[in-house]
Amino acid sequence: EIVMTQSPATLSVSPGERVTLSCRASQSVSSNLAWFQQKPGQAPRLFIYGASTRATGVPARFSGSGSGTDFTLTINSLQSEDFAIYYCQQYNLWPPWTFGQGTKVEIK
Amino acid sequence: EVQLVQSGAEVKKPGESLKISCQGSGYTFSNYWIAWLRQTPGKGLEWMGIIYPLDSETKYSPPFHRQVTISADKSVNTAYLQWDTLKASDTAIYYCAREIDMATLPLGVFDIWGQGTLVTVSS
Repeated sequence: EIVMTQSPATLSVSPGERVTLSCRASQSVSSNLAWFQQKPGQAPRLFIYGASTRATGVPARFSGSGSGTDFTLTINSLQSEDFAIYYCQQYNLWPPWTFGQGTKVEIK
Repeated sequence: EVQLVQSGAEVKKPGESLKISCQGSGYTFSNYWIAWLRQTPGKGLEWMGIIYPLDSETKYSPPFHRQVTISADKSVNTAYLQWDTLKASDTAIYYCAREIDMATLPLGVFDIWGQGTLVTVSS
Protein backbone atom coordinates (compact mmCIF):
# COMPACT_ATOMS: atom_id res chain seq x y z
CA GLU A 1 0.00 0.00 0.00
CA ILE A 2 1.24 3.46 -0.87
CA VAL A 3 1.35 5.73 2.18
CA MET A 4 0.54 9.39 1.63
CA THR A 5 1.99 11.85 4.16
CA GLN A 6 0.74 15.42 4.34
CA SER A 7 2.39 18.35 6.07
CA PRO A 8 1.78 20.28 8.10
CA ALA A 9 -1.16 18.80 9.98
CA THR A 10 -2.52 22.28 10.68
CA LEU A 11 -1.80 25.61 9.05
CA SER A 12 -2.90 28.86 10.72
CA VAL A 13 -3.13 31.64 8.16
CA SER A 14 -4.74 35.01 7.63
CA PRO A 15 -7.10 35.80 4.75
CA GLY A 16 -5.20 37.09 1.74
CA GLU A 17 -2.08 35.05 2.47
CA ARG A 18 -0.53 32.52 0.12
CA VAL A 19 -0.63 28.95 1.38
CA THR A 20 1.43 25.91 0.37
CA LEU A 21 0.39 22.40 1.38
CA SER A 22 2.65 19.39 0.89
CA CYS A 23 1.95 15.76 0.14
CA ARG A 24 4.53 13.00 -0.14
CA ALA A 25 4.04 9.46 -1.42
CA SER A 26 5.98 6.47 -0.09
CA GLN A 27 6.70 5.47 -3.70
CA SER A 28 6.22 7.10 -7.07
CA VAL A 29 2.61 7.71 -8.12
CA SER A 30 3.60 9.48 -11.35
CA SER A 31 1.07 12.32 -11.78
CA ASN A 32 -1.83 10.23 -10.47
CA LEU A 33 -2.52 12.56 -7.58
CA ALA A 34 -5.72 14.34 -6.58
CA TRP A 35 -6.51 16.99 -3.98
CA PHE A 36 -9.83 17.27 -2.16
CA GLN A 37 -11.33 19.95 0.06
CA GLN A 38 -13.63 18.99 2.89
CA LYS A 39 -15.66 21.31 5.10
CA PRO A 40 -17.43 20.23 8.31
CA GLY A 41 -20.54 18.17 7.64
CA GLN A 42 -19.85 17.96 3.91
CA ALA A 43 -18.50 15.33 1.56
CA PRO A 44 -15.02 15.81 0.14
CA ARG A 45 -14.93 17.87 -3.06
CA LEU A 46 -12.48 17.15 -5.86
CA PHE A 47 -10.26 20.16 -6.47
CA ILE A 48 -7.25 18.93 -8.41
CA TYR A 49 -6.49 15.75 -10.37
CA GLY A 50 -3.61 14.69 -12.54
CA ALA A 51 -1.49 16.60 -9.99
CA SER A 52 -2.26 19.95 -11.64
CA THR A 53 -5.64 19.95 -13.41
CA ARG A 54 -8.33 21.97 -11.67
CA ALA A 55 -11.72 20.28 -11.43
CA THR A 56 -14.81 22.00 -12.75
CA GLY A 57 -15.68 25.15 -10.84
CA VAL A 58 -12.46 25.36 -8.83
CA PRO A 59 -11.13 28.92 -8.61
CA ALA A 60 -7.90 29.77 -10.40
CA ARG A 61 -6.23 30.73 -7.09
CA PHE A 62 -5.82 27.00 -6.48
CA SER A 63 -2.93 25.28 -8.25
CA GLY A 64 -1.28 21.89 -7.96
CA SER A 65 2.20 20.79 -8.89
CA GLY A 66 4.60 17.90 -8.57
CA SER A 67 5.14 14.39 -9.85
CA GLY A 68 6.63 11.16 -8.61
CA THR A 69 6.61 11.39 -4.82
CA ASP A 70 6.38 15.08 -3.95
CA PHE A 71 3.34 17.27 -4.55
CA THR A 72 2.15 20.73 -3.60
CA LEU A 73 -1.20 22.47 -3.44
CA THR A 74 -0.92 26.25 -3.49
CA ILE A 75 -3.70 28.65 -2.64
CA ASN A 76 -3.03 32.22 -3.69
CA SER A 77 -4.73 34.96 -1.65
CA LEU A 78 -6.67 32.76 0.74
CA GLN A 79 -10.39 33.55 0.94
CA SER A 80 -12.72 32.93 3.89
CA GLU A 81 -14.39 30.03 2.06
CA ASP A 82 -11.02 28.27 1.69
CA PHE A 83 -10.70 27.41 5.38
CA ALA A 84 -11.16 23.65 5.38
CA ILE A 85 -9.30 20.35 5.47
CA TYR A 86 -7.38 19.37 2.34
CA TYR A 87 -6.58 15.77 1.47
CA CYS A 88 -4.28 14.36 -1.17
CA GLN A 89 -5.08 11.00 -2.77
CA GLN A 90 -3.03 8.74 -5.02
CA TYR A 91 -4.74 6.72 -7.70
CA ASN A 92 -1.66 5.18 -9.29
CA LEU A 93 -2.01 1.81 -7.60
CA TRP A 94 -5.16 -0.19 -6.85
CA PRO A 95 -5.80 -1.83 -4.55
CA PRO A 96 -6.06 0.41 -2.75
CA TRP A 97 -6.01 4.04 -3.72
CA THR A 98 -4.99 5.95 -0.60
CA PHE A 99 -5.51 9.32 1.05
CA GLY A 100 -3.24 11.40 3.18
CA GLN A 101 -4.32 12.24 6.69
CA GLY A 102 -5.21 15.80 5.74
CA THR A 103 -4.03 19.36 6.39
CA LYS A 104 -6.39 21.67 8.22
CA VAL A 105 -6.21 25.29 7.07
CA GLU A 106 -7.54 27.44 9.88
CA ILE A 107 -7.94 31.14 10.52
CA LYS A 108 -5.01 32.73 12.34
CA GLU B 1 -27.92 18.13 -12.45
CA VAL B 2 -25.60 15.19 -11.90
CA GLN B 3 -25.93 13.95 -8.35
CA LEU B 4 -25.69 10.99 -6.02
CA VAL B 5 -28.22 10.77 -3.19
CA GLN B 6 -27.53 8.39 -0.33
CA SER B 7 -29.95 6.82 2.10
CA GLY B 8 -30.37 8.23 5.57
CA ALA B 9 -28.51 7.72 8.82
CA GLU B 10 -28.76 4.34 10.51
CA VAL B 11 -28.43 3.19 14.12
CA LYS B 12 -27.87 -0.54 14.50
CA LYS B 13 -26.79 -3.07 17.10
CA PRO B 14 -23.74 -5.30 16.75
CA GLY B 15 -24.59 -8.46 14.83
CA GLU B 16 -27.37 -6.85 12.79
CA SER B 17 -27.35 -6.55 9.02
CA LEU B 18 -27.60 -3.37 6.98
CA LYS B 19 -27.83 -2.24 3.36
CA ILE B 20 -27.36 1.42 2.44
CA SER B 21 -27.94 2.92 -0.97
CA CYS B 22 -26.66 5.53 -3.39
CA GLN B 23 -28.92 6.63 -6.24
CA GLY B 24 -27.51 8.46 -9.23
CA SER B 25 -29.35 10.89 -11.44
CA GLY B 26 -28.63 13.31 -14.27
CA TYR B 27 -26.31 10.93 -16.13
CA THR B 28 -26.10 7.41 -17.60
CA PHE B 29 -25.65 5.52 -14.35
CA SER B 30 -24.51 2.26 -15.94
CA ASN B 31 -21.45 3.72 -17.61
CA TYR B 32 -19.58 5.22 -14.66
CA TRP B 33 -17.69 3.44 -11.90
CA ILE B 34 -19.11 4.03 -8.41
CA ALA B 35 -16.91 3.81 -5.33
CA TRP B 36 -17.74 3.38 -1.67
CA LEU B 37 -15.53 5.04 0.94
CA ARG B 38 -15.42 5.09 4.72
CA GLN B 39 -14.46 8.04 6.89
CA THR B 40 -13.58 7.74 10.56
CA PRO B 41 -11.74 10.05 12.94
CA GLY B 42 -9.08 7.40 13.52
CA LYS B 43 -8.33 6.12 10.03
CA GLY B 44 -9.49 9.02 7.90
CA LEU B 45 -10.76 8.39 4.39
CA GLU B 46 -10.50 4.84 3.04
CA TRP B 47 -11.53 3.32 -0.29
CA MET B 48 -13.67 0.24 0.29
CA GLY B 49 -14.39 -0.88 -3.24
CA ILE B 50 -15.70 0.07 -6.63
CA ILE B 51 -18.39 -1.25 -8.96
CA TYR B 52 -19.20 -0.84 -12.64
CA PRO B 53 -23.01 -0.86 -12.80
CA LEU B 54 -23.21 -1.97 -16.43
CA ASP B 55 -21.95 -5.47 -15.64
CA SER B 56 -21.55 -5.27 -11.82
CA GLU B 57 -17.80 -5.87 -12.02
CA THR B 58 -16.58 -5.20 -8.50
CA LYS B 59 -13.16 -4.62 -6.99
CA TYR B 60 -12.57 -4.59 -3.25
CA SER B 61 -9.81 -3.02 -1.21
CA PRO B 62 -8.19 -5.88 0.79
CA PRO B 63 -9.27 -4.71 4.29
CA PHE B 64 -12.91 -4.73 3.16
CA HIS B 65 -12.91 -7.90 1.07
CA ARG B 66 -15.46 -10.34 2.53
CA GLN B 67 -16.37 -7.73 5.19
CA VAL B 68 -18.92 -5.95 3.01
CA THR B 69 -20.78 -6.56 -0.24
CA ILE B 70 -21.00 -3.93 -2.96
CA SER B 71 -23.74 -4.30 -5.54
CA ALA B 72 -25.68 -2.26 -8.07
CA ASP B 73 -29.07 -2.31 -9.77
CA LYS B 74 -28.81 -0.37 -13.01
CA SER B 75 -32.58 -0.56 -13.52
CA VAL B 76 -33.04 1.85 -10.61
CA ASN B 77 -29.71 3.68 -10.96
CA THR B 78 -28.65 2.59 -7.48
CA ALA B 79 -25.53 1.18 -5.87
CA TYR B 80 -25.54 -0.55 -2.51
CA LEU B 81 -23.20 -1.29 0.37
CA GLN B 82 -24.20 -4.18 2.59
CA TRP B 83 -23.09 -5.77 5.85
CA ASP B 84 -24.29 -9.16 7.05
CA THR B 85 -22.94 -8.77 10.59
CA LEU B 86 -22.20 -5.29 11.85
CA LYS B 87 -19.52 -4.54 14.41
CA ALA B 88 -19.01 -1.48 16.56
CA SER B 89 -15.92 -0.72 14.47
CA ASP B 90 -18.17 -0.23 11.42
CA THR B 91 -19.36 3.04 12.95
CA ALA B 92 -18.43 5.67 10.37
CA ILE B 93 -19.63 7.98 7.65
CA TYR B 94 -19.91 6.17 4.34
CA TYR B 95 -19.71 7.98 1.02
CA CYS B 96 -20.40 6.89 -2.50
CA ALA B 97 -18.64 8.68 -5.33
CA ARG B 98 -18.73 8.63 -9.15
CA GLU B 99 -15.75 8.33 -11.48
CA ILE B 100 -15.04 11.51 -13.44
CA ASP B 101 -15.21 9.87 -16.88
CA MET B 102 -17.01 7.02 -18.58
CA ALA B 103 -14.58 4.12 -18.83
CA THR B 104 -14.57 0.37 -18.67
CA LEU B 105 -11.48 0.55 -16.45
CA PRO B 106 -11.46 2.70 -13.30
CA LEU B 107 -9.21 5.74 -13.42
CA GLY B 108 -9.37 6.62 -9.73
CA VAL B 109 -10.65 10.18 -10.03
CA PHE B 110 -14.05 10.67 -8.44
CA ASP B 111 -15.71 14.04 -8.84
CA ILE B 112 -19.34 13.52 -7.81
CA TRP B 113 -19.97 12.49 -4.22
CA GLY B 114 -23.04 11.57 -2.25
CA GLN B 115 -23.87 13.48 0.91
CA GLY B 116 -22.72 10.65 3.14
CA THR B 117 -24.54 8.15 5.35
CA LEU B 118 -23.74 8.02 9.05
CA VAL B 119 -23.83 4.47 10.36
CA THR B 120 -23.73 4.04 14.12
CA VAL B 121 -23.31 0.55 15.56
CA SER B 122 -23.80 0.40 19.30
CA SER B 123 -25.32 -1.93 21.84
